[in-house]
Amino acid sequence: QKEVEQDPGPLSVPEGAIVSLNCTYSNSAFQYFMWYRQYSRKGPELLMYTYSSGNKEDGRFTAQVDKSSKYISLFIRDSQPSDSATYLCAMSRNTDKLIFGTGTRLQVFP
Amino acid sequence: NAGVMQNPRHLVRRRGQEARLRCSPMKGHSHVYWYRQLPEEGLKFMVYLQKENIIDESGMPKERFSAEFPKEGPSILRIQQVVRGDSAAYFCASSSQRDEAGELFFGEGSRLTVL
Repeated sequence: QKEVEQDPGPLSVPEGAIVSLNCTYSNSAFQYFMWYRQYSRKGPELLMYTYSSGNKEDGRFTAQVDKSSKYISLFIRDSQPSDSATYLCAMSRNTDKLIFGTGTRLQVFP
Repeated sequence: NAGVMQNPRHLVRRRGQEARLRCSPMKGHSHVYWYRQLPEEGLKFMVYLQKENIIDESGMPKERFSAEFPKEGPSILRIQQVVRGDSAAYFCASSSQRDEAGELFFGEGSRLTVL
């Protein structure tokens, strides 16, 4: 069993839709939870960073962490074609290496 | 992604040759991480380095792979006697402090193709 599970998609939605991306994990020691966006042939860029449980909002993006269920989510409101990318969840126990999900490919069509 | 510089962006090697990938962290960053990304897979941790020290190399294959981050100059990931299975994108990331677990800034990656 992988430490971090993420549906690879692809996920195809119309412009303006609300997108929900999710990851589950098995290691209860994870405390730091991140979402990265990766455009094709580019490096990942950090979107959201959350410590422990709770919600965090930044513009059209909301990250949720439910440690009791070992489940994290990223919501994108009013999705745009420019949001088309691969979204990677990542997590870590403390200040060491990140464990990444395989990524979910999102396509937002006009 | 601005600031973390990786080169070369693309590298082609024949089986048995050596590959050297370089990473210059963002200005002021002294922590460097190397990750490997295979097609359709997420990023896999390889090694974490500070200046002149390897902190965690638990993700590095035991043979043919080595990494360094000298006092002066970029971090280098070295792959000796490459095989086809080494073909992947290799990403470098940097951070300024060890405590900023999520604040990793990634480079654009070096894409290695082994013929």
